[in-house]
Amino acid sequence: AQSVTQPDIHITVSEGASLELRCNYSYGATPYLFWYVQSPGQGLQLLLKYFSGDTLVQGIKGFEAEFKRSQSSFNLRKPSVHWSDAAEYFCAVGPRGNKLVFGAGTILRVKS
Amino acid sequence: DTAVSQTPKYLVTQMGNDKSIKCEQNLGHDTMYWYKQDSKKFLKIMFSYNNKELIINETVPNRFSPKSPDKAHLNLHINSLELGDSAVYFCASSQEGGGADGYTFGSGTRLTVV
Repeated sequence: AQSVTQPDIHITVSEGASLELRCNYSYGATPYLFWYVQSPGQGLQLLLKYFSGDTLVQGIKGFEAEFKRSQSSFNLRKPSVHWSDAAEYFCAVGPRGNKLVFGAGTILRVKS
Repeated sequence: DTAVSQTPKYLVTQMGNDKSIKCEQNLGHDTMYWYKQDSKKFLKIMFSYNNKELIINETVPNRFSPKSPDKAHLNLHINSLELGDSAVYFCASSQEGGGADGYTFGSGTRLTVV
């Protein structure tokens, strides 16, 4: 069965510092991979997605992610974090059975 | 011009009551979903409809019944509400049935059962 692991429950970074959020997946075929962001009290917004081709994908808000098949990873990065990036980030894998499977999320805190 | 809209945004109700949450999407998507986000923020799919047909029904109590009158609407009715039903319920839609293009989520309905 497909699954997603986000090893870090919380991450705190200083404003202006770089960020990397980890995501590992288990999937029996070439995965479709996604990163979503959820601000407090809000729904989930799609940051970026990977289907095929270039393994480095660019998303909104200056985020990027790199697909590494050998490591079954799809880590999210940002070179310089802004205070407004504080939120919860979810990695997801699909499709199988017409559904996305989400990781447990990583809460990002930004300190000034 | 909201893409996926859910109503109500907040719902507080007593145990044993019956309640409904409505969802509408104006994106022309074929597939709609209900997800439950528990207190630990874990997101789990409950149901999926493709063009009014139920295609995913996860292990969800029979008290939960989705209804899709047309492909733009997917409502969730919950009978005999229990304390454990307290959660945030998200509606989502996608163009491709497999969700390969990612989902567009509504802003959620926070259900509190007291």
